[in-house]
Amino acid sequence: QSALTQPASVSGSPGQSITISCTETGSDVASYDYVSWYQQYPGKAPKLMIYDVSKRPSGVSNRFSGSKSGNTASLTISGLQAEDEADYYCCSYVGSNNVVFGGGTKLTVL
Amino acid sequence: QVQLQESGPGLVKPSETLSLTCVVSGYSISISSGYYWGWIRQPPGKGLEWIGNIYHSGSTYYNPSLKSRVTISVDTSKNQFSLKLSSVTAADTAVYYCARLDSSGYYRLDYWGQGTLVTVSS
Repeated sequence: QSALTQPASVSGSPGQSITISCTETGSDVASYDYVSWYQQYPGKAPKLMIYDVSKRPSGVSNRFSGSKSGNTASLTISGLQAEDEADYYCCSYVGSNNVVFGGGTKLTVL
Repeated sequence: QVQLQESGPGLVKPSETLSLTCVVSGYSISISSGYYWGWIRQPPGKGLEWIGNIYHSGSTYYNPSLKSRVTISVDTSKNQFSLKLSSVTAADTAVYYCARLDSSGYYRLDYWGQGTLVTVSS
C-alpha cells in the first residue's frame, strides 16, 4: 500500500524560504502527478494550497509553490511570514478515486 | 460559494455506530459531474486520514483499512451525504471532516467542512 512520508517539522526565519518534502513509497499511486498540499491551523479545517503538483488555486499567495522530482514532491514557501506557521499535509491520488495523506509537517517561523 | 457542514452526535459509545451527515450548500450534488464527496478524519494531535468518498450516482470508494466498517451514502434530494462507521472504539475518536474531491481534470479537495469532533467513550 502506498504511503507518503513528510518530515515531522521544519523551521525558518521570516523572509527565508523553506521546502517541505513528500516522498511516495509503495506501488499503489496511480499517478504522482496528482499531488496536492494543504495548510492547517490549529482547530481549523485544512485549506488547499497547491494541487496537481504545482498549480495554485486563486487566492493563494504566489509565495507558495510546488514541484516534483521522481517520487518526491515538494512545497516551497518563499518570503516566510509569521502567518505561515501551521501544519502542512501532502496528499496524492492512489486510484479508484481514493487519496492518501502524508503524516504532516509542522512549520515553525522563528 | 460552496459550503459544507457536518452534523451528528459528539459522543458515541464503544461498539456502537458513528453516524454523521454533511449538508452541502451553494452546489448541487446531483449534477456534480467529476466531483466526489468525501470524509476525512483527524485523531487529536495526529494527521489526516482518508475514509472514503461517494459519487452522486451512489458509487462509493473506501479506504481499505476501514472498508469493513464504513458506509457512505448520498441523498441528492436533501443535497447531503452521510457516513456510518460501525463497531467504534476509542481509536475512532477524531475530528471528522467532509470535503469535495474535484476530479474534473484535477485532483484536489477544494472545499471542506469545519469539522466535528466525535468522541468514543462509555
